[in-house]
Amino acid sequence: KQEVTQIPAALSVPEGENLVLNCSFTDSAIYNLQWFRQDPGKGLTSLLLIQSSQREQTSGRLNASLDKSSGRSTLYIAASQPGDSATYLCALGESNTGKLIFGQGTTLQVKP
Amino acid sequence: GAGVSQSPSNKVTEKGKDVELRCDPISGHTALYWYRQSLGQGLEFLIYFQGNSAPDKSGLPSDRFSAERTGGSVSTLTIQRTQQEDSAVYLCASSLGAGGSTQYFGPGTRLTVL
Repeated sequence: KQEVTQIPAALSVPEGENLVLNCSFTDSAIYNLQWFRQDPGKGLTSLLLIQSSQREQTSGRLNASLDKSSGRSTLYIAASQPGDSATYLCALGESNTGKLIFGQGTTLQVKP
Repeated sequence: GAGVSQSPSNKVTEKGKDVELRCDPISGHTALYWYRQSLGQGLEFLIYFQGNSAPDKSGLPSDRFSAERTGGSVSTLTIQRTQQEDSAVYLCASSLGAGGSTQYFGPGTRLTVL
């Protein structure tokens, strides 16, 4: 059974820092991997989608990498801002159905 | 265009009552997913619809849970004889296709069972 782990569970950094959020998974037979952000009391916003054949994706200050062989993905946030404060969720797509298996999330606080 | 919408945003019910939660996906999206987010369990997959195919119900926690999707668009998640452990945020997502497509989530329905 696929298990998804996100470390750390919580992170607090000063504004302007570059930071890395980690996601690990136990079964490398994945279809794709998505990173989401969730603001308190809100739904999920998709940040980046990496297909299983890809190594990384970039959007603005965000860069996500995927290493299936080691069962790891990282989300890199450059020059963090207070508006980046949210919970970040990693989710694996196991098959072509698209249903996702989520990690528990990393709650990020960026202090001004 | 409009995103995924869900109603109601909040629902408080008494134990034993039935509830219906509604999801309006993005127009043209053929795939629709229901997930549940609770404090103890995180985000869990419940059910998946793709076009006219039979739904994948593998994530439904018990036979008190059911869902339907009418006309390939709006979906309703029904929970019968609600229990306190059903209290959670129920999230709906849709995507253009299955598999490799980005999923777009609605704001969720917060269900509280007293």
